[in-house]
Amino acid sequence: EVQLVESGGGLVQPGRSLKLSCAASGFTFSNYYMAWVRQAPKKGLEWVATISTSGSRTYYPDSVKGRFTISRDNAKSSLYLQMNSLKSEDTATYYCARHAELGPSFDYWGQGVMVTVSS
Amino acid sequence: DIVMTQGALPNPVPSGESASITCQSSKSLLYSDGKTYLNWYLQRPGQSPQLLIYWMSTRASGVSDRFSGSGSGTDFTLKISRVEAEDVGVYYCQQFLEFPVTFGSGTKLEIK
Repeated sequence: EVQLVESGGGLVQPGRSLKLSCAASGFTFSNYYMAWVRQAPKKGLEWVATISTSGSRTYYPDSVKGRFTISRDNAKSSLYLQMNSLKSEDTATYYCARHAELGPSFDYWGQGVMVTVSS
Repeated sequence: DIVMTQGALPNPVPSGESASITCQSSKSLLYSDGKTYLNWYLQRPGQSPQLLIYWMSTRASGVSDRFSGSGSGTDFTLKISRVEAEDVGVYYCQQFLEFPVTFGSGTKLEIK
């Protein structure tokens, strides 16, 4: 059974940093692109980052480019999101998601972790 | 960036009736391989999103055949036949043609 379990969320002050983790199990982690998707309270979904299987390629929307860094450790089947210079608008639930092998989409999602940016 | 625009539903929808959710993209999602890179997700209350449809009309594994996707390069429809209580939630369309991946704002389905 595919499982994605996020951790590392919490309350952080504006301008500070936070690192999220996602522990994957139930599939060969190193074979899949992985992503982070966020959802602000009562709002819709926003893609945040994608990383290739080896980690050599990463993709970000302009809203987080230069502040967020996605990375992975295939030996540990783990995905990470380093978030720097956090802003109030980064407050959201952050989901770890797996890129599907067939048909570009996100076929499995974690339960999400809440990040609150506030002074 | 590709903008995804979703329509609203005339909620609540009577149980057993059908519901159609529309989505429009600002750029054609039809790729040169003949596939249309449009996905649909359902987020039930308090849950993570789940994939329903990819490539515009292909149901994801385990998804009921009451869900069907159709459309052209820029206009799409998710049809839910014989709606049930478990269909309640917010439906999102998503384009995966190019980065940045973008979602529609969501369409809420309520059942009567």
